[in-house]
Amino acid sequence: GENVEQHPSTLSVQEGDSAVIKCTYSDSASNYFPWYKQELGKGPQLIIDIRSNVGEKKDQRIAVTLNKTAKHFSLHITETQPEDSAVYFCAASPHNFNKFYFGSGTKLNVKP
Amino acid sequence: GAGVSQSPSNKVTEKGKDVELRCDPISGHTALYWYRQSLGQGLEFLIYFQGNSAPDKSGLPSDRFSAERTGGSVSTLTIQRTQQEDSAVYLCASSLGGGSQYEQYFGPGTRLTVT
Repeated sequence: GENVEQHPSTLSVQEGDSAVIKCTYSDSASNYFPWYKQELGKGPQLIIDIRSNVGEKKDQRIAVTLNKTAKHFSLHITETQPEDSAVYFCAASPHNFNKFYFGSGTKLNVKP
Repeated sequence: GAGVSQSPSNKVTEKGKDVELRCDPISGHTALYWYRQSLGQGLEFLIYFQGNSAPDKSGLPSDRFSAERTGGSVSTLTIQRTQQEDSAVYLCASSLGGGSQYEQYFGPGTRLTVT
């Protein structure tokens, strides 16, 4: 089955700096890679996603890159703000979306 | 509009008791997922429902776990003879389903504590 690894487990940055979170996956059949933000006491919320036929996708301060050959994908947050502080999860899913495999999460702390 | 709702929000039960957790997906969403999230961990897939198709139960950790989805809407996750290791947050998500309708919307979860 699929194995998704996520690094780092914790990340502390100064407000305004950039943050990068990296994930690797093992199953070449995976072709959908979403990223979620989870705030305390709430369910995860999708913030950006990418399909395997795209190498990079950007939405304002958030971008995701995908290297299908190397089986890794990354989340980039620029100009971080204190409200970006949360736990971020990457995930991978095969083409029929019947299940999603999640990374172990990264706790991001943005210091004002 | 209304999002995914789950009930109860918290459940404390004694070891050996059965529990039922409920998920109300977004209206019109044909796909429904259950996940388990242990403290400080990622989400562990449990089960997937898509329309009237047979559910994908490959993530259920033991035969004490079962789930139903009645009428293609509300789903119930049942844990029989609960054990302390079942303590976790149980999350439900729904999506429109279909080849390009895959964005998952999560509920707030049910925190289960087995004493």
